[in-house]
Amino acid sequence: QVQLVQSGAEVKKPGSSVKVSCKASGGSFSSYTISWVRQAPGQGPEWMGRIIPVLGRPNYAQKFQGRVTITADKSTSTAYMELSSLRSEDTAVYYCARGRGIGTSYDSGSLSFWGQGTLVTVSS
Amino acid sequence: DIQMTQSPSSLSASVGDRVTITCQASQGISNYLNWYQQKPGKAPKLLIYGTSNLETGVPSRFSGSGSGTDFTFTISSLQPEDIATYYCQHYDNLPRFTFGPGTKVDIK
Repeated sequence: QVQLVQSGAEVKKPGSSVKVSCKASGGSFSSYTISWVRQAPGQGPEWMGRIIPVLGRPNYAQKFQGRVTITADKSTSTAYMELSSLRSEDTAVYYCARGRGIGTSYDSGSLSFWGQGTLVTVSS
Repeated sequence: DIQMTQSPSSLSASVGDRVTITCQASQGISNYLNWYQQKPGKAPKLLIYGTSNLETGVPSRFSGSGSGTDFTFTISSLQPEDIATYYCQHYDNLPRFTFGPGTKVDIK
């Protein structure tokens, strides 16, 4: 069974950066997309970007272009999301999620497996 | 950009009731429309993918349908464990993922 385990909660100052990890186990890591989705308190989910580890080339939502970096380490089956220039509005739970289908298939747009979430609090 | 709206934003129904949630896209979209269930403090859970396909292990009381701009999610007989917020989500291969604002389902 696929499991995604994320790193722990973070408290950051405005203007700083945060890096969240997502370690996968069970199933293939390299061939499936890993997306990052955040959810601010009381809000719906918001997609930030994704990577296919075997290709290594990420795609980002326009809103986060220039501020987010998504990477993947195939040797440790771990994906990372780094968000810079943090502001209070970035306070949210950040999730990693694996696509249902391989590669860039349309099934990759369905997010079948999710990490437990990482709370990032941005506060001075 | 495509916008997704959901209605109602919340509903209250009795155990055993049929519950229907609609999701509307701001323009015609492919049938790549998914539905998720989210319980408080938990990650979203995929229930329906590709408009009408039931994810593995999901009870058959959940179903989805629709095309074009209008999509529907149905719980045929509401159970106490179905109390949650439900989100629709569209995907295109740019890629872009767009979630709806959610529908909160409660027991009357």
